[in-house]
Parts: sequence; structure tokens; C-alpha cells
Amino acid sequence: AQSVTQLDSHVSVSEGTPVLLRCNYSSSYSPSLFWYVQHPNKGLQLLLKYTSAATLVKGINGFEAEFKKSETSFHLTKPSAHMSDAAEYFCVVRPLYNFNKFYFGSGTKLNVKP
Amino acid sequence: GAVVSQHPSRVICKSGTSVKIECRSLDFQATTMFWYRQFPKKSLMLMATSNEGSKATYEQGVEKDKFLINHASLTLSTLTVTSAHPEDSSFYICSAERTGLPEAFFGQGTRLTVV
Repeated sequence: AQSVTQLDSHVSVSEGTPVLLRCNYSSSYSPSLFWYVQHPNKGLQLLLKYTSAATLVKGINGFEAEFKKSETSFHLTKPSAHMSDAAEYFCVVRPLYNFNKFYFGSGTKLNVKP
Repeated sequence: GAVVSQHPSRVICKSGTSVKIECRSLDFQATTMFWYRQFPKKSLMLMATSNEGSKATYEQGVEKDKFLINHASLTLSTLTVTSAHPEDSSFYICSAERTGLPEAFFGQGTRLTVV
């Protein structure tokens, strides 16, 4: 069965410092991978996606993620945090063998301190 | 773009009544839509997969008679919570697939409070 592990439930950074949100997945094949952001009482907004093209993916708002097959990881990074980045972030996997399913990580709450 | 609109964003209903939540794909046709429930500080839990013109596929443990899903057109799916109880209070989110794209597009969510 597919699993998605977000290693940190909470991450706190200071404004202007780098952000790292970690995600590991279990899959026999290269799946489609996504990062979504959710602000309080809102839906999910796509930040970026990996679909077997370039392993370093650039998304919106300065976020990037690198697909590392050997480590089954898809960590989300941003060089410099902004106050508006404070939100919940979800790593999502869509496996090739079950394309009708999306598997969600448990989420990481990012806090940005002034 | 690919915009999914969910309505209403908030609803309060009395215990025992039914409430309908709409999920519309505004600028594309969605053959498949998904309905999720999100508990406070938790991830999304898939309730059912809705396919246009056919019966929804419910996840294990989700009561199909309580959570009625109708996907009557390529741009609209509805979730009706029947005979609502306070324990049904939650944040419900829909998403839709657009042909040719692997990602899901999410609605804004509906905060349901049953009193």
C-alpha cells in the first residue's frame, strides 16, 4: 500500500531564513508527486508537481522540490521564508498503479516568525 | 486555468436536517470528482470518488446512505449530508480532475456545523 510520510508536523522558521519541509513516500514505481498549501479554512492550492520530467521542480511563490528516487523523497524548499508562507503544507502522491487515488501526507504546519 | 468552486463555504444546520454541498468545475469538464473530509489539525480523508453519470465509489467506513453523492453533469457534483448530527460537523473539501493533467484541483471547502 502507498504511504506518504511528512516527517515534521510543525516547522518554525524566522522570516528571511530557508524553509525545508520533508516528505518521503513508498512506491515501487515513480509516481506523480505534489505539494499543496492550505491556509486556514481554505481549500488546497497546488504549489508544484513532479511527473517524471526534471527532478528539480520549481513552483509558485519561490518554492522548489527535488525528486530523489534513491531516497524516495520529495522535500520542499524555499530559500527565504515570508510571513505569508505560514500555512499547512501537504505532500501528495498519485501512484502509477492506481491513478484514481491520491495519497496525502499528514501535513506540516509552517510557522514563520518575524 | 482550472477553477473549482465549492458552495456554500459555511453552513449551519439543525440536527436531523439535510444539507447539500455543491462542487463545480468552472472552466473545464470533470469526469471524476473526489470528496474529502478534514478533521481539525488533520489531513484529508477520502470519502468517495464521484464519476459523472454513474454511482459514486465510497471508501470503507463511509455510509453511502448518509453521504449522498450525485455527479449529474460534467461540471457539477453534489454531496448531501442527510439527517445530520453534530458528529457530522467538519470541513468538507471537493476536488476535480482535468483530463490530461495529473494534479487535482480543489474547491475552497465547506465548514459544516450541525447544532
